[in-house]
Amino acid sequence: DVKVTQSSRYLVKRTGEKVFLECVQDMDHENMFWYRQDPGLGLRLIYFSYDVKMKEKGDIPEGYSVSREKKERFSLILESASTNQTSMYLCASGLAGGDTGELFFGEGSRLTVL
Amino acid sequence: GQQVMQIPQYQHVQEGEDFTTYCNSSTTLSNIQWYKQRPGGHPVFLIQLVKSGEVKKQKRLTFQFGEAKKNSSLHITATQTTDVGTYFCAGRGGSNYKLTFGKGTLLTVNP
Repeated sequence: DVKVTQSSRYLVKRTGEKVFLECVQDMDHENMFWYRQDPGLGLRLIYFSYDVKMKEKGDIPEGYSVSREKKERFSLILESASTNQTSMYLCASGLAGGDTGELFFGEGSRLTVL
Repeated sequence: GQQVMQIPQYQHVQEGEDFTTYCNSSTTLSNIQWYKQRPGGHPVFLIQLVKSGEVKKQKRLTFQFGEAKKNSSLHITATQTTDVGTYFCAGRGGSNYKLTFGKGTLLTVNP
């Protein structure tokens, strides 16, 4: 079974804290993505990575950074969490190429910033 | 940037009725994908359409990709309670492999 694992299902943090969200996939996929999901807004892309140490900004990168030191792991970092970053964060992975086919999603990490 | 609009935002049907959700892109797409997210779950891939005018079926689900590759639809015939969830379309532009998701259509089915 293919698997994308997100380290924390639920987190509660305080404003200004540094937050790390970890994602690991076991499918040897080149591409990995971080989305946030908010009611009425659907899934919005924060960052994606198409190779180790490579990253590209998505549609809403402000306030976030990412790290991809190993192929299987893609981390999302909130340098100084703010209340408007309270959201569900979804990690996904997929094969490389122009027509890459499906994305596999993790279970999600629900972050609350107080 | 690329935008993908999806309507309706919500749809409530009686079990046995049909359901359709529509997706429109501001730019021509190289392909479009559809995902289903059950309540409390994560998005799960349903299908990918690549060719202009393509129609694909999965049992009671029919997916279409427009001739201009800028719109798509998902039609469910004779809905069942197991169809409940949010259906997302996601389009990929021609020059990159970034997927842009629509806001989704939440389908509820009254038994």
